[in-house]
Amino acid sequence: AQSVTQLGSHVSVSEGALVLLRCNYSSSVPPYLFWYVQYPNQGLQLLLKYTTGATLVKGINGFEAEFKKSETSFHLTKPSAHMSDAAEYFCAVSQYGNKLVFGAGTILRVKS
Amino acid sequence: KAGVTQTPRYLIKTRGQQVTLSCSPISGHRSVSWYQQTPGQGLQFLFEYFSETQRNKGNFPGRFSGRQFSNSRSEMNVSTLELGDSALYLCASSPEGGGGGYTFGSGTRLTVV
Repeated sequence: AQSVTQLGSHVSVSEGALVLLRCNYSSSVPPYLFWYVQYPNQGLQLLLKYTTGATLVKGINGFEAEFKKSETSFHLTKPSAHMSDAAEYFCAVSQYGNKLVFGAGTILRVKS
Repeated sequence: KAGVTQTPRYLIKTRGQQVTLSCSPISGHRSVSWYQQTPGQGLQFLFEYFSETQRNKGNFPGRFSGRQFSNSRSEMNVSTLELGDSALYLCASSPEGGGGGYTFGSGTRLTVV
């Protein structure tokens, strides 16, 4: 069975600081990995995905994530936080691209 | 290109009633999935339809059902509503499956009173 653990239900950073949101997964087969963002009263927006190939994945809005198989991790980073980054972020895993299994989410707060 | 459209956006129903939610996927997408989002359980997979056939199903009771039409539009139905069914229901579409990532709609907020 697949599972996702997001460390830290709330993360607070100052504007301009590094954003690091942690995600660890378990999967019995090579996984597909995703990061989604959700703004209040909205659906989920895909930030980036890893399927195969390059382990460093670049996404929208300056976010990137690195797939580390040995650590079963797929942490999300952004060099410089912006106020508009405040939202809830979800890491998800799937096998062969079918149903998504989500982590519990991390709420990112950006302080001015 | 139009996104995933879910209707209605908000819905209030009484316990014991039934409800039908609608989802129109992105044009050309043949896979439609449904997820339930609640504060306590988070995001949970309900089911996936591909070319009018249910391809995957999550661990929800039989009161939750769905279908997909030949134009890929999908509906989900919840019968005999319970207070615990109050949630944001999200629909997501993908061309063939999830490898390319699913595109989500804005959701339907269902409140059961």
